[in-house]
Amino acid sequence: DAGITQSPRHKVTETGTPVTLRCHQTENHRYMYWYRQDPGHGLRLIHYSYGVKDTDKGEVSDGYSVSRSKTEDFLLTLESATSSQTSVYFCAISKQGSYEQYFGPGTRLTVT
Amino acid sequence: GEDVEQSLFLSVREGDSSVINCTYTDSSSTYLYWYKQEPGAGLQLLTYIFSNMDMKQDQRLTVLLNKKDKHLSLRIADTQTGDSAIYFCAHTALTGGGNKLTFGTGTQLKVEL
Repeated sequence: DAGITQSPRHKVTETGTPVTLRCHQTENHRYMYWYRQDPGHGLRLIHYSYGVKDTDKGEVSDGYSVSRSKTEDFLLTLESATSSQTSVYFCAISKQGSYEQYFGPGTRLTVT
Repeated sequence: GEDVEQSLFLSVREGDSSVINCTYTDSSSTYLYWYKQEPGAGLQLLTYIFSNMDMKQDQRLTVLLNKKDKHLSLRIADTQTGDSAIYFCAHTALTGGGNKLTFGTGTQLKVEL
């Protein structure tokens, strides 16, 4: 347990609505990541952060934005949810100088 | 982009050894990882290996790396029913922006009595 929580754990929303997922860590790690998991694709990186207000895009960033105003929180926003964003979303953290990456419990999002 | 390939399924009998294989294409891979995911759960880091090593052993787990062939394997000795899960191979290349992982599609391991 690397002190990572995600909220909500489950969400059902309608197409076109905005959705924000939260990742919270208790150990002040510098790096935070958002991945999505889909059958046949494994996990794919959406966005990541290397410090407060420092973020960058990953492999599948279209339709997503992120913010990190505090070290402990990394928010993922779907501005206008689409059915293709139905997925399980995982947050991860890693320490500066470490090659270990630890994952949160995930958020299952369904867009109807 | 970088590809990481794994076979989808593996079935073994309890007590036997399991070998899960992974191939990757990115020659700049620096660290290679194995994660375990049980149903409805997050990913658990099992072990990882630096690219200048060819083997790492940790209790029942043995990781073998053939860098020339870009082939990684995870051997689980004395496989137990609790080892039933999806196993993901992943790799990263060192960059200035942290440790971005590229994952395989996962191998579902089923352990039968």
